[in-house]
Amino acid sequence: GQQLNQSPQSMFIQEGEDVSMNCTSSSIFNTWLWYKQDPGEGPVLLIALYKAGELTSNGRLTAQFGITRKDSFLNISASIPSDVGIYFCAGQPLGAGNNRKLIWGLGTSLAVNP
Amino acid sequence: NAGVMQNPRHLVRRRGQEARLRCSPMKGHSHVYWYRQLPEEGLKFMVYLQKENIIDESGMPKERFSAEFPKEGPSILRIQQVVRGDSAAYFCASSLATNTEAFFGQGTRLTVV
Repeated sequence: GQQLNQSPQSMFIQEGEDVSMNCTSSSIFNTWLWYKQDPGEGPVLLIALYKAGELTSNGRLTAQFGITRKDSFLNISASIPSDVGIYFCAGQPLGAGNNRKLIWGLGTSLAVNP
Repeated sequence: NAGVMQNPRHLVRRRGQEARLRCSPMKGHSHVYWYRQLPEEGLKFMVYLQKENIIDESGMPKERFSAEFPKEGPSILRIQQVVRGDSAAYFCASSLATNTEAFFGQGTRLTVV
């Protein structure tokens, strides 16, 4: 089946540093979503991208929908301890319709050293 | 407005037993989605339901798994004759419409012993 390649798998950074993670796909997606999941909790939507080339910010988070529609990145600036968690990209493949048949990456585990 | 409520949060079943997972969507939401998450993996789509209808069950195993979303009451994901490989976190999400944000519940962690 379709897969998303998400990297890096894990990151350990100092508080205040910027973070970047990305997802790539071998096929075209018409929606990219970035989620954060805390231990024992469900995923929480951070940013949604709907158009190729779209660049969207949410506070210290910035995400972009790649021009080729096969990739997306998420940046976190000036990281703080509460940024700790697992970040997932998820995409809606072309032709999937409007349902939530999302394809998910394997996640990037972020640890922040205060 | 309460979020998506799933219960139980943790469920332990012996092999061969049945597991019933419940999901109450957010108020006013009629679209429900179930996902499964294995340890250290992303979520895998299982099924998409609207009130009383299964819209897409292409991610559901063909045997032992079923889902419903009755006119009244929560959505139920039912796993019959559980096996060790069914151990996972099962998440439910709901949305107001097909093209609006889906909100996730806290999940049910099923452990089969």
